[in-house]
Amino acid sequence: GQQLNQSPQSMFIQEGEDVSMNCTSSSIFNTWLWYKQDPGEGPVLLIALYKAGELTSNGRLTAQFGITRKDSFLNISASIPSDVGIYFCAGPTGNQFYFGTGTSLTVIP
Amino acid sequence: NAGVTQTPKFRVLKTGQSMTLLCAQDMNHEYMYWYRQDPGMGLRLIHYSVGEGTTAKGEVPDGYNVSRLKKQNFLLGLESAAPSQTSVYFCATFTGSSYEQYFGPGTRLTVT
Repeated sequence: GQQLNQSPQSMFIQEGEDVSMNCTSSSIFNTWLWYKQDPGEGPVLLIALYKAGELTSNGRLTAQFGITRKDSFLNISASIPSDVGIYFCAGPTGNQFYFGTGTSLTVIP
Repeated sequence: NAGVTQTPKFRVLKTGQSMTLLCAQDMNHEYMYWYRQDPGMGLRLIHYSVGEGTTAKGEVPDGYNVSRLKKQNFLLGLESAAPSQTSVYFCATFTGSSYEQYFGPGTRLTVT
């Protein structure tokens, strides 16, 4: 199957700091998705990217679709305590979705 | 409008026992998925269905079976549970058009 690697694996930051994380794949994807999972719940879609080079924002979140189509980046500006959770990238191939290994974010008030 | 629900929320099984996890959706979505989530490994697809009466294998199907007799329900079965199947199981639905999947709250399964 497809392998999507995310880095960093975990982050501990102070409230108000900006956050950057990325996702790389061994294969090309035509769509990149970013999900957030709150503790004890299922993932929720944050941002979908459909074109190489595309930059899309959702509030304080900005995601980019890498030019090579093998990577994607997610930035969170001015972090707040409710940003805590695990962030996953995902790429669909046909009817299947492949998920990254996740980046765990802890925000210290 | 409940969205995607999963039953049960928690379960402890002994090795060799069987059980069925139920996923129910009220969004009329064609596609349904079963994933398992293990620490450091993200979500891995077990089986999925593109419509009532259909099923297909995902990335890690061994030891699991599924059925989709009704559009709104997707069942995941473990015939003979093994400790390696200790995990959190998530069901998800998908419209087939936009790429948004809707996830259930998860079932935490422990096999001893």
